[in-house]
Amino acid sequence: EAGVTQSPTHLIKTRGQQATLRCSPISGHTSVYWYQQALGLGLQFLLWYDEGEERNRGNFPPRFSGRQFPNYSSELNVNALELEDSALYLCASSPLAPQFFGPGTRLTVL
Amino acid sequence: GIQVEQSPPDLILQEGANSTLRCNFSDSVNNLQWFHQNPWGQLINLFYIPSGTKQNGRLSATTVATERYSLLYISSSQTTDSGVYFCAVPSSGGYNKLIFGAGTRLAVHP
Repeated sequence: EAGVTQSPTHLIKTRGQQATLRCSPISGHTSVYWYQQALGLGLQFLLWYDEGEERNRGNFPPRFSGRQFPNYSSELNVNALELEDSALYLCASSPLAPQFFGPGTRLTVL
Repeated sequence: GIQVEQSPPDLILQEGANSTLRCNFSDSVNNLQWFHQNPWGQLINLFYIPSGTKQNGRLSATTVATERYSLLYISSSQTTDSGVYFCAVPSSGGYNKLIFGAGTRLAVHP
């Protein structure tokens, strides 16, 4: 069974640009979660999608948004990038519990 | 909201030694996960353990939900065990965003 996949592996952007990160869940999982792991800040919850709808949102500005497609894959969009957005972005999927994580996308903002 | 504390924050072992990592949480939960973050950043599921004890090879975990803590035991440690170990619980006791502890950074030397 294929695990959670994320693309791209690495992404380099400059301040003010937009970044799009993608996640494909494990087959049969309808929930997708996004987390940010910034240096020194630990793992923080960003967004939760289930059955195509946003179910919960962490304490992040509206520049962070996303969506879930009919096939349950998901996109995370970060607009107007700031230097502090540099982080590892992890996607997880679950039926309900437990959550299974992908390899992450490392975003660097210059 | 629920608080998750892990101890110790750092641990250095010689290969072959045993160790115990602790995770305390501030409120009742109905599930708990342990993860190992590898050097490339991926979170590897170790245990999904709402209560009781589970074992997987040299690793085992015990959760005492009534006393709000979980322990991860690593026996006969190997250099490949190095990395950061996280515990995480759902934010409201249900199936929702995970709240992570700050992690225990383990270094196993040959």
